Amino acid sequence: ILNVEQSPQSLHVQEGDSTNFTCSFPSSNFYALHWYRWETAKSPEALFVMTLNGDEKKKGRISATLNTKEGYSYLYIKGSQPEDSATYLCAFSSFEGSQGNLIFGKGTKLSVKP
Amino acid sequence: DTGVSQDPRHKITKRGQNVTFRCDPISEHNRLYWYRQTLGQGPEFLTYFQNEAQLEKSRLLSDRFSAERPKGSFSTLEIQRTEQGDSAMYLCASSLAPWDTQYFGPGTRLTVL
Repeated sequence: ILNVEQSPQSLHVQEGDSTNFTCSFPSSNFYALHWYRWETAKSPEALFVMTLNGDEKKKGRISATLNTKEGYSYLYIKGSQPEDSATYLCAFSSFEGSQGNLIFGKGTKLSVKP
Repeated sequence: DTGVSQDPRHKITKRGQNVTFRCDPISEHNRLYWYRQTLGQGPEFLTYFQNEAQLEKSRLLSDRFSAERPKGSFSTLEIQRTEQGDSAMYLCASSLAPWDTQYFGPGTRLTVL
């Protein structure tokens, strides 16, 4: 059974703090690692897709890294703002089995206090 | 392009009733996926379509669930004889091709009383 783990489950930070989350996934038959941001009452928003070991992606104050050999990815948010409050989901896709369906972690819920 | 849309956004029903949800994907996307998220869990894969063909169904999709995608455009997910355990957020996503980024709709939240 393929399993994706995310930590922490939840995080409360002050505006301006920097923070990071971890996603661990199976390292065999890896195809891609996806990060999504999901704000309440909205659609999950795709942040990054990473496929290569050592990949680093950046979007504004948010960045992510990927280590496929050891099976983990980090998401960093620099200078958190209240609008960053959301659940951050990572998802793994594999060459094994279905063509491209995503296996999600349970998410990290971030709350940023002004 | 308005993205993926889902209807309704919320549905409350009584146990034993049938419900149907609709998903309209991004127009040029061939792939359409259904996921379900229950409380405290991440979204879990239910089924996917390549154009109008349903290519895979998860073990989570019992016989009470059926999905269609006529003409390869919108999709419907029907649940017959709903049970309280069916209460969840039902998410739809679409992508241009296998393993491409999946774009999600806002979901339909089902509550079975």
